[in-house]
Amino acid sequence: ETGVTQSPTHLIKTRGQQVTLRCSSQSGHNTVSWYQQALGQGPQFIFQYYREEENGRGNFPPRFSGLQFPNYSSELNVNALELDDSALYLCASSRAPSRDYGYTFGSGTRLTVV
Amino acid sequence: RKEVEQDPGPFNVPEGATVAFNCTYSNSASQSFFWYRQDCRKEPKLLMSVYSSGNEDGRFTAQLNRASQYISLLIRDSKLSDSATYLCVLAPGNTPLVFGKGTRLSVIA
Repeated sequence: ETGVTQSPTHLIKTRGQQVTLRCSSQSGHNTVSWYQQALGQGPQFIFQYYREEENGRGNFPPRFSGLQFPNYSSELNVNALELDDSALYLCASSRAPSRDYGYTFGSGTRLTVV
Repeated sequence: RKEVEQDPGPFNVPEGATVAFNCTYSNSASQSFFWYRQDCRKEPKLLMSVYSSGNEDGRFTAQLNRASQYISLLIRDSKLSDSATYLCVLAPGNTPLVFGKGTRLSVIA
């Protein structure tokens, strides 16, 4: 059983650019949640996808958008990058949106905006 | 008031010490509670769930007090390998996990 994989592991972008981060969910999982973790902070919920539809969103601007594909993998897109977008972006998959199912986290993508 | 608040840390303790972390939450609708462990520059990993009756897993004991909206984690006989950040996590209803800021623990030889 493969776990959650994220790509790339590290990325450096310039302010104003756009970035796409990718996540492959664990086998058997149909729900993907994205989190942003700034240095010294806990992960903050960005949004969740369930069966290719957005299923909840945190307090992030519309320039943060996402997709989920039929194979349940997911993408996080961020437009017009700002310096404060520098963070570790974590993807977590689960068997369903409910909290009763365990979340498996990927090892994250570390984004640096310069 | 933040949804989840934790002891600021860092906690620097000698090997073999007992250390306790506290966490308070503001959303009384929260139904599930967890402690996650995060090593430096790694992803969070589930350490244990927290139940009203309290639960123990080896050297780790978690307690939940719903009346006071308070969660705790006790680590006995600390090991060097326990050094990490401990995240208090709750699930308010059928919504994704809400994380605290985390408390950093350093166990010193």
